[in-house]
Amino acid sequence: NAGVTQTPKFQVLKTGQSMTLQCAQDMNHEYMSWYRQDPGMGLRLIHYSVGAGITDQGEVPNGYNVSRSTTEDFPLRLLSAAPSQTSVYFCASSSTGVDEQFFGPGTRLTVL
Amino acid sequence: AQKVTQAQTEISVVEKEDVTLDCVYETRDTTYYLFWYKQPPSGELVFLIRRNSFDEQNEISGRYSWNFQKSTSSFNFTITASQVVDSAVYFCALSEFNAGNMLTFGGGTRLMVKP
Repeated sequence: NAGVTQTPKFQVLKTGQSMTLQCAQDMNHEYMSWYRQDPGMGLRLIHYSVGAGITDQGEVPNGYNVSRSTTEDFPLRLLSAAPSQTSVYFCASSSTGVDEQFFGPGTRLTVL
Repeated sequence: AQKVTQAQTEISVVEKEDVTLDCVYETRDTTYYLFWYKQPPSGELVFLIRRNSFDEQNEISGRYSWNFQKSTSSFNFTITASQVVDSAVYFCALSEFNAGNMLTFGGGTRLMVKP
């Protein structure tokens, strides 16, 4: 099992560019989430999904879009990157909404 | 709204000392789950424990122990005889039963264990 995988590991964008952060899991988990980690602020939930075709907003959704067309994949799209989106992004999955979440290795994004 | 507070931003101890990391939470739900995760310098997030709101028994796993007290809304984590490998950022987190997959994290406590 690869668990939760994320690509890329590092990315540098210019302000206004768009990109997609990829996340995949091979554990057949229904629940998937995206978090961002900023210094001193812990992890904050961006968007989450409770199953294929179902997504919802978390605490900090502005500037991000998600979709969940399959159980395995949960991509995060930055529509028009801004310096405030410089952060480390983690994807996570779990079998239910209250189980242990398995985290991917993270993507370090810098927006210039 | 759910909230998790880890008042200690940084703790420094010498190897073999015991150390307690504090976690205080707020929730209106009667059914909720509390978690601790470890983030070593390599950056990955490692699950340590999950506790539901109906189970106030303390838990011990090797050098790690957790004290859950609903009366004070606290879920503290103690490392006994700390080791250099325990150096990491530790996060406490809360999930309400009816909140889907919305895990709320505290700001984290950076633990530095010196030899």
